[in-house]
Amino acid sequence: GENVEQHPSTLSVQEGDSAVIKCTYSDSASNYFPWYKQELGKGPQLIIDIRSNVGEKKDQRIAVTLNKTAKHFSLHITETQPEDSAVYFCAATLDKIIFGKGTRLHILP
Amino acid sequence: GAVVSQHPSRVICKSGTSVKIECRSLDFQATTMFWYRQFPKQSLMLMATSNEGSKATYEQGVEKDKFLINHASLTLSTLTVTSAHPEDSSFYICSASDGGETQYFGPGTRLLVL
Repeated sequence: GENVEQHPSTLSVQEGDSAVIKCTYSDSASNYFPWYKQELGKGPQLIIDIRSNVGEKKDQRIAVTLNKTAKHFSLHITETQPEDSAVYFCAATLDKIIFGKGTRLHILP
Repeated sequence: GAVVSQHPSRVICKSGTSVKIECRSLDFQATTMFWYRQFPKQSLMLMATSNEGSKATYEQGVEKDKFLINHASLTLSTLTVTSAHPEDSSFYICSASDGGETQYFGPGTRLLVL
């Protein structure tokens, strides 16, 4: 079955700097890759997604890149702000969603 | 759009009792709903998938007689934890899909079994 690896598990960046979270997946048939943000005590919130026929997608300060050949995809957050502090999960989808283990992002003032 | 609600948000119950958690899609029809469990500082673990009007499909290791799932309408699914025990204490999260790839998650229900 599909396996998703996510790195790093914890990331601290200075406010205003960029943050990058990387994921790899094992099943080349996976074709949909959402990213979720989860704040403490809340459910995950979809922040951006990308499909396998696209290499990059951007939404304001958030971008996702996908390399199908290497089977890895990344989340990029630019100009980080305190409200970006949360746990971020990547996921790969074929017949069901498989989540990475999450990255706890701390934005330092 | 794509709002999913859960009720209750928190519940405390005594060991041996049953607890029902509701998951509703507020502004779309959810042909498929999913139930997840999340332990502190861990990822989401899929428990079961339910399609409206049919029996839920449970993941390996999840007891279907303990975690009863009903998806009676296109906007409502319920998870009942039967004869709850302290080890069932967890954060339970539902998600819903309108048939597409994207799942929209509810805010979660924190269950504490004493």
